[in-house]
Amino acid sequence: QSVLTQPPSVSGAPGQTVTVSCTGSSSNIGAGFPVHWYQQVPGTAPKLLISGYTNRPSGVPDRLSGSKSGTSASLAITGLQADDEADYYCQTYDNILNGYVFGTGTKVTVL
Amino acid sequence: QLQLQESDPGLVKPSETLSLTCTVSGGSISSSSHYWGWIRQAPGQGLEWIGTIYYSGTTYYNPSLKSRVTISVDTSKNQFSLNLNSVAAADTAVYYCARHAGIRVGATLDSWGQGALVTVSS
Repeated sequence: QSVLTQPPSVSGAPGQTVTVSCTGSSSNIGAGFPVHWYQQVPGTAPKLLISGYTNRPSGVPDRLSGSKSGTSASLAITGLQADDEADYYCQTYDNILNGYVFGTGTKVTVL
Repeated sequence: QLQLQESDPGLVKPSETLSLTCTVSGGSISSSSHYWGWIRQAPGQGLEWIGTIYYSGTTYYNPSLKSRVTISVDTSKNQFSLNLNSVAAADTAVYYCARHAGIRVGATLDSWGQGALVTVSS
């Protein structure tokens, strides 16, 4: 069982905005460790979307953005498109477990 | 461009040792700016960090797997390896190797291999 909790699924129509939450605790997100977000299309390797809460690697559109509040982080996808349909994972470090932890994962569906 | 490629052990018998190697190309595993990690994903499940290594050989392991895991590095071959002993069906997963983007605690994983499916079965 992961220490980072995400909703199992979120959905939206093309053009809409969806938000994926990642709830942690004082030993990970609340401790100030950076949160990263990955997109995984089934059958392929995860792809880095957001690093350190808000930084987008080259090639990632600015429709995707990250934020943090307290012991939680969020990924927002605006202007939802068909190719946004995938699984999304948050990831950070936990200083009680002394290791890297991933969220439970969220399936984003474009209606 | 950096590329990571896992070897393909395929089928491993219960109680035996799973061995995987990640070959790095387009970059040096001896870089002082990066750590290198293993992550796995059981069928239909989420991602699980296994462990991380620096080119010097310093390692960090997931506490839940620590007693069974060894990660090593071979700088002459630009490779790092994973050994997981006493495997069981629950260790069936796609195993990914990846690069950490830096050496600070919590550094992201910015490059991933394509993954290798390992099935534990007799």
